[in-house]
Order: sequence, then C-alpha cells, then structure tokens
Amino acid sequence: SQQGEEDPQALSIQEGENATMNCSYKTSINNLQWYRQNSGRGLVHLILIRSNEREKHSGRLRVTLDTSKKSSSLLITASRAADTASYFCATDRGGSNYKLTFGKGTLLTVNP
Amino acid sequence: DTAVSQTPKYLVTQMGNDKSIKCEQNLGHDTMYWYKQDSKKFLKIMFSYNNKELIINETVPNRFSPKSPDKAHLNLHINSLELGDSAVYFCASSLGAVLSYEQYFGPGTRLTVT
Repeated sequence: SQQGEEDPQALSIQEGENATMNCSYKTSINNLQWYRQNSGRGLVHLILIRSNEREKHSGRLRVTLDTSKKSSSLLITASRAADTASYFCATDRGGSNYKLTFGKGTLLTVNP
Repeated sequence: DTAVSQTPKYLVTQMGNDKSIKCEQNLGHDTMYWYKQDSKKFLKIMFSYNNKELIINETVPNRFSPKSPDKAHLNLHINSLELGDSAVYFCASSLGAVLSYEQYFGPGTRLTVT
C-alpha cells in the first residue's frame, strides 16, 4: 500500500509568501526524501532527512521530521514563481528493501 | 550534458503492439530504476537493477521486461500493449542501491496506447 501521503493536494500562494507541505507515512522509515517535479519533466531531488534527524535546511528549504507522528513537512520560504511544481515525499525502510515509495504529491502554484 | 536520458519522449501506439523505451545514464551510477507515473501523478517503482543485476521486481505484468546490457543502460520492453499501460515512464539512476543516495530522473516517456 502507498507509504507517503502529502497534504494539501494543491496549494496556491503569492510570490514572497511561505509554502508548507506535509507528508505522512504509515510504517517506520530509514530516510525520507523530498523531490520536485516541474510540469512535463522528471523529478529532481531536493533534500534527504534521516530517521535520526529532526530538521534540515538547504537554501530556502526547511524540512522537519517527526518519527513519533510519522510525518514530515517541507517549508519553502520567500517563494518564487519558479517554485511552481509538484512536490513529492518518498520514504525507504532501509536494509535490503531497496524501494523508494512516493506519495501522491502536492501541486504548488506560486502566483507572481 | 544530459545525465539521464530516455528515448523516445513520446510514444503513441495501438493496443497489441510491442514497444521499447531506452534509458542511458552518463553519471557512472551503479543502480538504475524504472518508474510508472499514472494520470493522477502517482509514481510507482517497477524495476531496479544494480550492476546489471535485478534487485527490485514489483508486481508488474510479465508483458514488461527490463534489460540492462551494461551499467549505463536500462531498457524497458513492453509486449501486447494495453490501454491501461498508458502513463509516463521514468528512468532513474543512483550511485548505489543504498537508499540514502538521491535518485536522478530522466525526462520521462509519455506512452499513449489507443
């Protein structure tokens, strides 16, 4: 069954505002990754957070992980029109299970 | 320089036909993947190869057969195409099979079966 579920399904904001997307998952994980997909393109890796980490930053991105709640959030600060894309979380269970399981994604629209 | 490339980008074909999608990566990665993304954007792993060895084979109809002639190439052959096979197929690669490595995705192949 599907591991990750993002919410909201769609988010529309104005340029300069912050965007927060959430991801919940069902079973214990080893790592959680966030990917971005621009329309008609492949996915691009944004950030990886390990199960023993609580927060990670990369430029305008901030990711948190709460393993007790089985959830993660992706915050994009000072959004730009170019941030318009779908954002997916993906989890793995580590060990010999080599599979990344993706959520359904959040479609973010940043209006200029 | 394209890191992960796929051909063709678009593929329109009729039910019952056989088709292939090719993927090449120039990153020197050991592991390659095929994913299927449906019309609702749900992305699901199909196959993964590590150093030409199959390590993931999800519940996929056996009409789908991957082939990895070498580490840099992973092709997908589909027999007897069905309407439900219409989707976008993504190839990806990573440094190794350990999932702390990020995956690099190709641009996708949009398959339409009529």
